[in-house]
Amino acid sequence: NAGVTQTPKFRILKIGQSMTLQCAQDMNHNYMYWYRQDPGMGLKLIYYSVGAGITDKGEVPNGYNVSRSTTEDFPLRLELAAPSQTSVYFCASSYFPSGGYSNQPQHFGDGTRLSIL
Amino acid sequence: KQEVTQIPAALSVPEGENLVLNCSFTDSAIYNLQWFRQDPGKGLTSLLLIQSSQREQTSGRLNASLDKSSGRSTLYIAASQPGDSATYLCAVTLIKAAGNKLTFGGGTRVLVKP
Repeated sequence: NAGVTQTPKFRILKIGQSMTLQCAQDMNHNYMYWYRQDPGMGLKLIYYSVGAGITDKGEVPNGYNVSRSTTEDFPLRLELAAPSQTSVYFCASSYFPSGGYSNQPQHFGDGTRLSIL
Repeated sequence: KQEVTQIPAALSVPEGENLVLNCSFTDSAIYNLQWFRQDPGKGLTSLLLIQSSQREQTSGRLNASLDKSSGRSTLYIAASQPGDSATYLCAVTLIKAAGNKLTFGGGTRVLVKP
C-alpha cells in the first residue's frame, strides 16, 4: 500500500540552487496539496491542484512553482533556494466529487526535510 | 481569515491518565474538522473527522467533540499509553475554501510517561 510517496526524504541545498521535490500517489485522487511545516508550527498550504492541468496558489506560494501533468504526480519546484525555505515539506492527496465537498480525509506522505545553507 | 489555535503547545501526563486536547477556530462556517497524529519524522495520520452537522466522533479510546457555535473541538484520549506520545494537530475545512483546503492549528506535543 504505497499511498503518497515523497522523494527525497532529506536534502541540503546551497543558497541559489534549485531542486524539485517529487510527490506521487496511487489512489487515483483528484486533489493534491503541498504544505510546509516550520518547527513547532502547523502546516501552511503552498499550492494545490484539483486535477491534472489545474493548479492554484495557497497561503505561502512565493518562491515555489508546481505542475500537474498527470493525476498521479504533483512536483514542487524551488527555483532559487533561500534560507527561509528551510522546512519540512508534505504532499497530500484526497478525493472529492466533482464540484462538491467530501468528508474523506487527506492522505499525507512522510515529508521531505530540506535545509538551505 | 480563519485562525486555528491549539493550547497547550505541549503536555506531559503519566500513563493511564486521560488526555484532553483543545482546538479553537475563529470562523464557524466550517464543513468539517479533522484531528491528525504526527509521529517524529513522519507524515500526518488522520484520526477522526467530524462533519459540521455532527457533535462527536469516536474511534476506540479516542473521542472528538465539536461545538461549532463556540468554535471549539476537544479530543479525548482515554487511559493514555506511552505509544500515544506524538504531536496532535487539528484542522478545519472552511465552507468557502476553494480546493477544500485545510487550515491547521499549531499542534499539541504530547508525552505520556511510563
